[in-house]
Amino acid sequence: AQSVTQPDIHITVSEGASLELRCNYSYGATPYLFWYVQSPGQGLQLLLKYFSGDTLVQGIKGFEAEFKRSQSSFNLRKPSVHWSDAAEYFCAVGQFGTGTASKLTFGTGTRLQVTL
Amino acid sequence: GAGVSQTPSNKVTEKGKYVELRCDPISGHTALYWYRQSLGQGPEFLIYFQGTGAADDSGLPNDRFFAVRPEGSVSTLKIQRTERGDSAVYLCASSLWRDQPQHFGDGTRLSIL
Repeated sequence: AQSVTQPDIHITVSEGASLELRCNYSYGATPYLFWYVQSPGQGLQLLLKYFSGDTLVQGIKGFEAEFKRSQSSFNLRKPSVHWSDAAEYFCAVGQFGTGTASKLTFGTGTRLQVTL
Repeated sequence: GAGVSQTPSNKVTEKGKYVELRCDPISGHTALYWYRQSLGQGPEFLIYFQGTGAADDSGLPNDRFFAVRPEGSVSTLKIQRTERGDSAVYLCASSLWRDQPQHFGDGTRLSIL
């Protein structure tokens, strides 16, 4: 069964500092990988996705993520964090080519706090 | 633009009652999904519709949970004989078709007293 691990429950960074949120997945075949962001009381907004091709993917709001198959990782990065980035971030994995890619498995999330 | 709409935004009811949660997907999206998010957790898959049919309902926790999508658009998640453990945020998502990125609504916060 597929699984996602986000080892950091809570991260605090200063505004303007760089950010890296970790995500490790477990899946036997080529995965679909996603990062979503959730603000309090809101649904999830898609930041970026990896399906195939270039392993460095760019997303919205200046975020990027790199797929590393050898490490089973898909870490999210941002060079300079803004106070408005404070939210909960979820990594998710879906299956590929089996007709069940729609079943996303989410990690438990990383709460990002930004200090001014 | 119109995103995924979920109603009600909040629902408080007593243990043992029946509840219905509604999801109105993005127009033209053929795939629709329900997830449940407990406090401090990531969303957990419940059921996936492609068109009118439930293509995968393996995430429904028991037979008290049921979902329909009779016309291939709006979906209703139905919970019978609610229990306190059903308290959670129920999220709906839609995508243009399967294997495409899912767009989420703001969820329904269900509280069972």
